[in-house]
Amino acid sequence: GEDVEQSLFLSVREGDSSVINCTYTDSSSTYLYWYKQEPGAGLQLLTYIFSNMDMKQDQRLTVLLNKKDKHLSLRIADTQTGDSAIYFCAVNTGTASKLTFGTGTRLQVTL
Amino acid sequence: DTEVTQTPKHLVMGMTNKKSLKCEQHMGHRAMYWYKQKAKKPPELMFVYSYEKLSINESVPSRFSPECPNSSLLNLHLHALQPEDSALYLCASSQGTHNEQFFGPGTRLTVL
Repeated sequence: GEDVEQSLFLSVREGDSSVINCTYTDSSSTYLYWYKQEPGAGLQLLTYIFSNMDMKQDQRLTVLLNKKDKHLSLRIADTQTGDSAIYFCAVNTGTASKLTFGTGTRLQVTL
Repeated sequence: DTEVTQTPKHLVMGMTNKKSLKCEQHMGHRAMYWYKQKAKKPPELMFVYSYEKLSINESVPSRFSPECPNSSLLNLHLHALQPEDSALYLCASSQGTHNEQFFGPGTRLTVL
């Protein structure tokens, strides 16, 4: 089955850029997503990218996709304390209905 | 309305109880999902309903019984649960061609 990996923890200072990385194994994945989860809450869809794209920008968020290396990243510009949360990448696998989530990266933003 | 709502927010139940979790969306989405999330872990898919029919069951134990009464509602009936079933239960819905899934806030379930 699909394996989706992320680093566990990232700490950045307020105002800096954050880059959260994700690697996956299934090269047939067509849509890749980034979700944010704050403590005790559900998952908030941040953005997604289609596999025929290399990059997508949405305000402070930039998604980069390297299909050859099966590597996805999320860059958050001007990181704020409100960005502190767990970030999950997710890729569709098999049928379009099934998402496989990465292990999650806890982002800590310090003053 | 771009929201998925879930009730209750918290639920504590004994191993002999029967309870239900409810999920509702009014975005006209035709697919709805149940996920289970343990602490510090990613969500794990349990069930998928597409056009009110069960399309995916990820080998979930029969003590969890899903129901989709109509296109806006999704229930999860719970019976004879075990303490290891304690988790955050998330509902999601999707429709678009990009299949982005929108999640509810979850129900925190504790089984004593």
